[in-house]
Amino acid sequence: SQQGEEDPQALSIQEGENATMNCSYKTSINNLQWYRQNSGRGLVHLILIRSNEREKHSGRLRVTLDTSKKSSSLLITASRAADTASYFCATDASYKLSFGAGTTVTVRA
Amino acid sequence: NAGVTQTPKFQVLKTGQSMTLQCAQDMNHNSMYWYRQDPGMGLRLIYYSASEGTTDKGEVPNGYNVSRLNKREFSLRLESAAPSQTSVYFCASSGIQGVEQYFGPGTRLTVT
Repeated sequence: SQQGEEDPQALSIQEGENATMNCSYKTSINNLQWYRQNSGRGLVHLILIRSNEREKHSGRLRVTLDTSKKSSSLLITASRAADTASYFCATDASYKLSFGAGTTVTVRA
Repeated sequence: NAGVTQTPKFQVLKTGQSMTLQCAQDMNHNSMYWYRQDPGMGLRLIYYSASEGTTDKGEVPNGYNVSRLNKREFSLRLESAAPSQTSVYFCASSGIQGVEQYFGPGTRLTVT
């Protein structure tokens, strides 16, 4: 069964705008990771946040984690056409990752 | 470095046929994984190998077998393919189990 669930399922934004997507999960975790998948390609790891961390930054990415609400958010600032992709959260509870169904982001020029 | 490689890229099978999907990584990773991705469902873990010499079932192991041939290679076998196994299959590896997985390009399998 899928542990994580992303929201929204799809998102369309203008280039330069920010994109925010959320992930909710069900059980306690060791860490939460975000991955990107471009059409027809494999997944690429973006960022990992540990259960004892609340916020993490990497370039234009900002991830938050609220373990009390069992939720995380991924913010992409100043989006570019190259950010068009599907984004997946993955939770690590027992050293195996459980992926959500993903958020499809389309960045319009 | 090639990272994670998978062969073949595409395959069409008839119901009942068998085949093996190959995966290799050149990053000296201990852990390797096989996932399937179906539309709207994200990735589901089929089998994983935490280290050379060990394999364990994931969420959806029925109809599949795996072999961890050595530290580099992890193969997935379908003994008798069924239409329900039509999917895109991804192999992944990680240096530390559960952390930062590196994915191959995928194998698109159609079973008719």
